[in-house]
Amino acid sequence: EVQLVESGGGLVQPGGSLRLSCAASGFTFSSYDIHWVRQATGKGLEWVSVVSTSGGTSYLGSVKGRFTISRENAKNSLYLQMNSLRVEDTAVYFCAREMLGTGMYAFDIWGQGTMVTVSS
Amino acid sequence: EIVLTQSPGTLSLSPGERATLSCRASQSVSSSSLAWYQQKPGQAPRLLIYGASSRATGIPDRFSGSGSGTDFTLTISRLEPEDFAEYHCQQYGSSPRTFGQGTKVEIK
Repeated sequence: EVQLVESGGGLVQPGGSLRLSCAASGFTFSSYDIHWVRQATGKGLEWVSVVSTSGGTSYLGSVKGRFTISRENAKNSLYLQMNSLRVEDTAVYFCAREMLGTGMYAFDIWGQGTMVTVSS
Repeated sequence: EIVLTQSPGTLSLSPGERATLSCRASQSVSSSSLAWYQQKPGQAPRLLIYGASSRATGIPDRFSGSGSGTDFTLTISRLEPEDFAEYHCQQYGSSPRTFGQGTKVEIK
């Protein structure tokens, strides 16, 4: 079964750090660009970051310099290191697989999400 | 950044009725790079439509997408009980990829 499973969420104080993980199975992980998308309670979806198959990265402006995305193909895993966390980073964080193709594509596989709460 | 505006915010309909959801972009979406996702409470989004009008694998043909440029539509021809959910549009033609704020389809 093709799936993504996130872990690592939790409660952290403002200014703190957290590392999210996303474990992939059922497909050739190294062949796909993988994204992080977040959703605050009762709000819409917000794209956060992407790591390409070649290791290139891109970030939402408000997290640039604070979040770092990485991948470890040998372990079929994606990571998001989140530093200097703010209250407004509170959300469910999903990892999502981008469809194969040339150019940019939609996200065809999503994990179930992991909750990050930033609060004192 | 392309801003996507979905309307209406909430759509109240009965099973068997037709649902028409709109997604309007602040600037033209390149190559019709627009997707629609369905999301139920506590669940991950599920891809329904990509390329504005192509159904994803396993999606019933009662779901259809149309549009180009700045105006896109998701149509559910006859609502089934399992279709009552939140729907999100996304443009992926330019960075950053952006989502609309969502349309909730609820049972009337």
